[in-house]
Amino acid sequence: EAGVAQSPRYKIIEKRQSVAFWCNPISGHATLYWYQQILGQGPKLLIQFQNNGVVDDSQLPKDRFSAERLKGVDSTLKIQPAKLEDSAVYLCASSLVYRASSGNTIYFGEGSWLTVV
Amino acid sequence: KQEVTQIPAALSVPEGENLVLNCSFTDSAIYNLQWFRQDPGKGLTSLLLIQSSQREQTSGRLNASLDKSSGRSTLYIAASQPGDSATYLCAVRNRDDKIIFGKGTRLHILP
Repeated sequence: EAGVAQSPRYKIIEKRQSVAFWCNPISGHATLYWYQQILGQGPKLLIQFQNNGVVDDSQLPKDRFSAERLKGVDSTLKIQPAKLEDSAVYLCASSLVYRASSGNTIYFGEGSWLTVV
Repeated sequence: KQEVTQIPAALSVPEGENLVLNCSFTDSAIYNLQWFRQDPGKGLTSLLLIQSSQREQTSGRLNASLDKSSGRSTLYIAASQPGDSATYLCAVRNRDDKIIFGKGTRLHILP
């Protein structure tokens, strides 16, 4: 079974530029998450989708970050304009169902590493 | 608001020793708790998931326990190996389906 795919793996941009990250979840997984992980910290949830609807985006800086999940499968996360403090790894994850069984495992991709200079 | 704390932040032990990593959480109303491993430059790999009704889960040399009432979980690693060196993260899934992570414990196994 293929895992969660993310691209690009690495990106270096100047501040005020824009960047987009792509994620393809595990086939059949209805829930998709974008996390931001700053060096030395645990992952912080940015946005959570159930199919193509947003469940939680309370910690997404909406003035510069946007995300969409068209057709309930792939998702893109965009940052425009980027700031120095956006340097982090952006992790995409997926799980089978939402609000379900307590045995619902979440699977992560390899991450997209962003450096803003 | 759920808070997840992992102690210690970093740990170095000689190869072959048994060790325990700790995770505590403030709100016991959880669906489950999951332990992950993260290698440098990599994403998170799921190690063990403990459902709220369970007390422990085992996989090979790893054993995770959950005491929901006290808000604690431990990850026990037996007979540690250099390949176990990584950052270990615990995460709880709340009843509102939010998943909250700790900051992790950086483990270094000395050959």
